[in-house]
Amino acid sequence: QLVLTQSPSASASLGASVKLTCTLSSGHSSYAIAWHQQQPEKGPRFLMKVNSDGSHSKGDGIPDRFSGSSSGAERYLTISSLQSEDEADYYCQTWGTGIHVVFGGGTKLTVL
Amino acid sequence: QVQLQESGPGLVKPSGTLSLTCAVSGGSISSTNWWSWVRQSPGKGLEWIGEIYHTGITDYNPSLKSRVTISVDKSKNQFSLKLSSVTAADTAVYYCARRPGSFDYWGQGTLVTVSS
Repeated sequence: QLVLTQSPSASASLGASVKLTCTLSSGHSSYAIAWHQQQPEKGPRFLMKVNSDGSHSKGDGIPDRFSGSSSGAERYLTISSLQSEDEADYYCQTWGTGIHVVFGGGTKLTVL
Repeated sequence: QVQLQESGPGLVKPSGTLSLTCAVSGGSISSTNWWSWVRQSPGKGLEWIGEIYHTGITDYNPSLKSRVTISVDKSKNQFSLKLSSVTAADTAVYYCARRPGSFDYWGQGTLVTVSS
């Protein structure tokens, strides 16, 4: 069974950078994942897809401040030049034959 | 730009059936995509409910499979969710979304409360 693990919370200062992590369970390190942002009281918004080789493709209108990368079973979302509107919940998600669709538990990002 | 909009009753009685529709605009529901339903209980994370492929193939969350039906109406460019035998645990914001691989477009969500 594929499980995506995220830290429940993260924090960083306004203008700084933060790197969020999504870890694929054992045996699933080749899977691509997607990152979604959910601002308070809003629906999710697709940020990007991150492949196992670290390449990534962003959704419409996603700023250059958002980038993705990979290392082994870990997939990362880096947000640079943090702004107040980046304070949100961030979910990773994957998919595949036999595994259906899986979400991580989400990381609540606080911008200090 | 693809847009999705959920609609349906905001209140459902316990043991009843929850029914929602997702209208798709800016793109054809016959395109090569999965059309999905995701929910979020108050204060909780995202839970995938199930989805339908453009060919009509369906796939459901095993934990909900016995209660879920997803269908598509190509003539109206929309797809629907039915969840039967609902309880208070089914109270959530329900989202529809398009999934070519990852989810790339989401609806704004609709709150459904299960209460008598």
